[in-house]
Amino acid sequence: AQSVTQPDIHITVSEGASLELRCNYSYGATPYLFWYVQSPGQGLQLLLKYFSGDTLVQGIKGFEAEFKRSQSSFNLRKPSVHWSDAAEYFCAVGNNDMRFGAGTRLTVKP
Amino acid sequence: GAVVSQHPSWVICKSGTSVKIECRSLDFQATTMFWYRQFPKQSLMLMATSNEGSKATYEQGVEKDKFLINHASLTLSTLTVTSAHPEDSSFYICSARDFVGGRTDTQYFGPGTRLTVL
Repeated sequence: AQSVTQPDIHITVSEGASLELRCNYSYGATPYLFWYVQSPGQGLQLLLKYFSGDTLVQGIKGFEAEFKRSQSSFNLRKPSVHWSDAAEYFCAVGNNDMRFGAGTRLTVKP
Repeated sequence: GAVVSQHPSWVICKSGTSVKIECRSLDFQATTMFWYRQFPKQSLMLMATSNEGSKATYEQGVEKDKFLINHASLTLSTLTVTSAHPEDSSFYICSARDFVGGRTDTQYFGPGTRLTVL
């Protein structure tokens, strides 16, 4: 069965610092992988997705993620965090039945 | 493009009443829509998959008679919480799949509906 693990429940970074959010997945076939961001009380916004091809995926708001099959990982990165990036981030895997990780809450210090 | 709306954005109802939540794809046709439930500070849990013109497929543990789903058109799916109780209070989020063709598709999410049952 497919599953997603986000090992970090909460991460705090300083504004301007780099960010990496971890995501590990378990999937029987070639996975469809996604990163979504959710602000409090809001729905989910798609940051980026990986279906096939180049393993380094560029998304919106300066985010990128790298698919590493050997490590079953799809970590999200941003070189310089802005205060407005504070939110909950969800990694997801799947196609017909999408499974979400538990989420990582990002706090940005001034 | 690829905008999904939900109505209402929040609703408060009395225990025992039924509540209907609408999910619309505004600028694309969605053959498949999904309904999720999210408890505070938790992840999204898939409740059911809704295909236009056919019965919804419910995840294990989700009562289909409790959560009625109708997907009558390619742009509208509704979730009705019947005889709501306080434990049904939650954040309900829908998504619609934009079928591009082949194997690639993406779910676009609505803004969610906050249901509070008194």
